Amino acid sequence: GAVVSQHPSRVICKSGTSVKIECRSLDFQATTMFWYRQFPKKSLMLMATSNEGSKATYEQGVEKDKFLINHASLTLSTLTVTSAHPEDSSFYICSAIWTEQFFGPGTRLTVL
Amino acid sequence: KQEVTQIPAALSVPEGENLVLNCSFTDSAIYNLQWFRQDPGKGLTSLLLIQSSQREQTSGRLNASLDKSSGRSTLYIAASQPGDSATYLCAATGGATNKLIFGTGTLLAVQP
Repeated sequence: GAVVSQHPSRVICKSGTSVKIECRSLDFQATTMFWYRQFPKKSLMLMATSNEGSKATYEQGVEKDKFLINHASLTLSTLTVTSAHPEDSSFYICSAIWTEQFFGPGTRLTVL
Repeated sequence: KQEVTQIPAALSVPEGENLVLNCSFTDSAIYNLQWFRQDPGKGLTSLLLIQSSQREQTSGRLNASLDKSSGRSTLYIAASQPGDSATYLCAATGGATNKLIFGTGTLLAVQP
């Protein structure tokens, strides 16, 4: 099956710093990738749709200046959490579309 | 706006028991419905995907059904095993956007 990777798997940062998370489709090309956020013991909430070569589409309530998404190639999308605060601590998961949506293993972000 | 809910939120069963997890969605105009498994701190593993034109899918001990008219899907797990312990999520895809709307999840514990 198709493989999607995320890097890093875990990151701890200080409040006010920016953190970049990478999502890669390893064995297929994806014009569309999605970014989700998951709070503890909660379900996944779609944050934004990442389209290769164009601007991301953000869901209602998601700050686009806070969560910067770049989809510069058909195999890589990045999510940058800018000026991170403790409330941004969460589990971030990406997915990429091929025959269906394939999910990455997630990135645990902890902001101190 | 599509809303997906799952009942029960948590379930504990003895090993060997058959069980059913329930998923309800408010908008019957779905493209497909998918069941996922999530282990603690991990990403998602796709279990079964049911297209809107299908009524059920089977994989090993798992059987998923879809009734669009009533807005319901069920995941049947036969002869449960401790290794089945995980959170099970259902997700509906609406229209051509490929956006997945996730349910609230069911935390399953299979006791040895």
